[in-house]
Amino acid sequence: EVQLVESGGGLAQPGGSLRLSCAAPGFSVSSNYMTWVRQAPGKGLEWVSVIYSGGSTYYADSVNGRFTISRDNSKNTLYLQMNSLRTEDTAVYYCARLGNSRRGGMDVWGQGTTVTVFS
Amino acid sequence: EIVLTQSPGTLSLSPGERATLSCRASQSVSSSYLAWYQQKPGQAPRLLIYGASSRATGIPDRFSGSGSGTDFTLTISRLEPEDFAVYYCQQFGSSPFTFGPGTKVDIK
Repeated sequence: EVQLVESGGGLAQPGGSLRLSCAAPGFSVSSNYMTWVRQAPGKGLEWVSVIYSGGSTYYADSVNGRFTISRDNSKNTLYLQMNSLRTEDTAVYYCARLGNSRRGGMDVWGQGTTVTVFS
Repeated sequence: EIVLTQSPGTLSLSPGERATLSCRASQSVSSSYLAWYQQKPGQAPRLLIYGASSRATGIPDRFSGSGSGTDFTLTISRLEPEDFAVYYCQQFGSSPFTFGPGTKVDIK
């Protein structure tokens, strides 16, 4: 079954760090464009980052320079390293598969992992 | 950055009625790079439409998408009870891959 399983969410203080993981049993992370999307409590969806199959990465302005998207092909896992956390980073974080191009939309989503940044 | 605006913010309809949701972009987006999602409370979003008009796998044909350039539309021909949810459009034409603020379809 094609699925995404996130982990790594939790509590952090402002200025702290967390690393989110997203395992992908059923398909190859390295062969797909993979993304992170977040949703603050009671708010809409916010795109965070993408890594292309070729390795190029892009970020939302709100996280650029603080967050890093990466993957481990041997573990078939996607990551989001979050540094210099702010209270406004509090959200449910979803990983999602974009497919092998930007044309197909994000067709597989994880269940979400909650990050809470509090002072 | 391409800003997406969705209207209306909330749409109150009855089961069986037709829903028409709008997504307007601040600059032209290739129709290949426009998607629609449905989200219900406590759930991850679900892909409905990609490439502006192609239904994703398993999506009923009462959902349809159309549009080009800066104006896109999601239509639900006859609302079923399970269709009451929030709907988001998203563009992949250029980074950042922005979402619209969403349209909530609720029961009248």
